[in-house]
Amino acid sequence: AQTVTQSQPEMSVQEAETVTLSCTYDTSESNYYLFWYKQPPSRQMILVIRQEAYKQQNATENRFSVNFQKAAKSFSLKISDSQLGDTAMYFCAFMKHVNFGNEKLTFGTGTRLTIIP
Amino acid sequence: GAVVSQHPSWVICKSGTSVKIECRSLDFQATTMFWYRQFPKQSLMLMATSNEGSKATYEQGVEKDKFLINHASLTLSTLTVTSAHPEDSSFYICSASGRGRDGANVLTFGAGSRLTVL
Repeated sequence: AQTVTQSQPEMSVQEAETVTLSCTYDTSESNYYLFWYKQPPSRQMILVIRQEAYKQQNATENRFSVNFQKAAKSFSLKISDSQLGDTAMYFCAFMKHVNFGNEKLTFGTGTRLTIIP
Repeated sequence: GAVVSQHPSWVICKSGTSVKIECRSLDFQATTMFWYRQFPKQSLMLMATSNEGSKATYEQGVEKDKFLINHASLTLSTLTVTSAHPEDSSFYICSASGRGRDGANVLTFGAGSRLTVL
């Protein structure tokens, strides 16, 4: 079974600063997907970024980037130039690679991020 | 593209009644749908996985007779909470996966449904 651990229940940062959210996972699978999802107060789950484990290059999406360390089973999210709209709950998630979409997501416990004006 | 519509967004019902929540994929065919439950300030807990035309697979500890899941078409899955009780009050979220119009894999979440049982 897979487990996903987010060790930071809450974080806060000043607007325009950079913040890094941590995520570690445990699996015996060699190929898999990792995700970061954002859940704002509306509670709509929004995909922030996705990484395929077989790709060595770290995924980036505008101000969001990841540091994927496969050997260490670490998958941190860096938010640059943070904005007030980034205030949300952030969940790290794991999916086996067998058949994308047919496999369930395993979520971490989440990190509540607050951007301070 | 890849929009999932979930209704109702909130519902209040009396104890002992049944409540149905719908999850529709609007612009793609969802071969698999997932139902999650989320308690306040907690993570999403997978309840069950359903594939179109077959019985849902429930996670350990989830009562299949309590939470009925139907996935009769490639665009619709329903979750029925039968004989609801106050402890069933929660936020329920569906997600749908399939292929978008461009053939790419999609995995999208509905906006969730808040159930309050009085």
